[in-house]
Amino acid sequence: AQSVAQPEDQVNVAEGNPLTVKCTYSVSGNPYLFWYVQYPNRGLQFLLKYITGDNLVKGSYGFEAEFNKSQTSFHLKKPSALVSDSALYFCAVTRTSGNTGKLIFGQGTTLQVKP
Amino acid sequence: EPEVTQTPSHQVTQMGQEVILRCVPISNHLYFYWYRQILGQKVEFLVSFYNNEISEKSEIFDDQFSVERPDGSNFTLKIRSTKLEDSAMYFCASSEGSDRGQPQHFGDGTRLSIL
Repeated sequence: AQSVAQPEDQVNVAEGNPLTVKCTYSVSGNPYLFWYVQYPNRGLQFLLKYITGDNLVKGSYGFEAEFNKSQTSFHLKKPSALVSDSALYFCAVTRTSGNTGKLIFGQGTTLQVKP
Repeated sequence: EPEVTQTPSHQVTQMGQEVILRCVPISNHLYFYWYRQILGQKVEFLVSFYNNEISEKSEIFDDQFSVERPDGSNFTLKIRSTKLEDSAMYFCASSEGSDRGQPQHFGDGTRLSIL
């Protein structure tokens, strides 16, 4: 069965420092991987995706993520964190079979950026 | 930018009552989804819908649940006889195509509280 793990419930980083939010996945075949962000009382907002090609993908708000097939990881990164990046981040994967885009989510990581 | 809109933002219902959650997907999108998030838990897939029929549903989506697209704009989730454990945040999402690489766009959710 496909699954996604985000090993950290919370990540704390100082403003201006680089940040990493970790994600590992378990899926047969080639995964499609996504990162979403959720601000308080809002829905999930798409940040970026990996489909194929370059292992480093760039997304919204200066975020990027690195796909590592051997480590089955898709960590979210940003070179310089902003206080406004503080939010809940979800990693997700779609199945390798079937036509629907059913998303399987990790449990989420709260990012706290302190001034 | 077009958005997915959900109403109401908060619904309080007595156990055993029927509830209908409403969603207006982005107008040119063809694929529609419902997810739920119980407090403190993962976002879970409920159902996907295309061409006026369910294309996939999870084991959570039992006979108490139904979805409908009653007109060209609304997409509804009905729970016939609510239980306490149905209390959760319900998110509607839509995507332009069924390609698993298409990002889904989420509404801000309906918080359902069952008393």
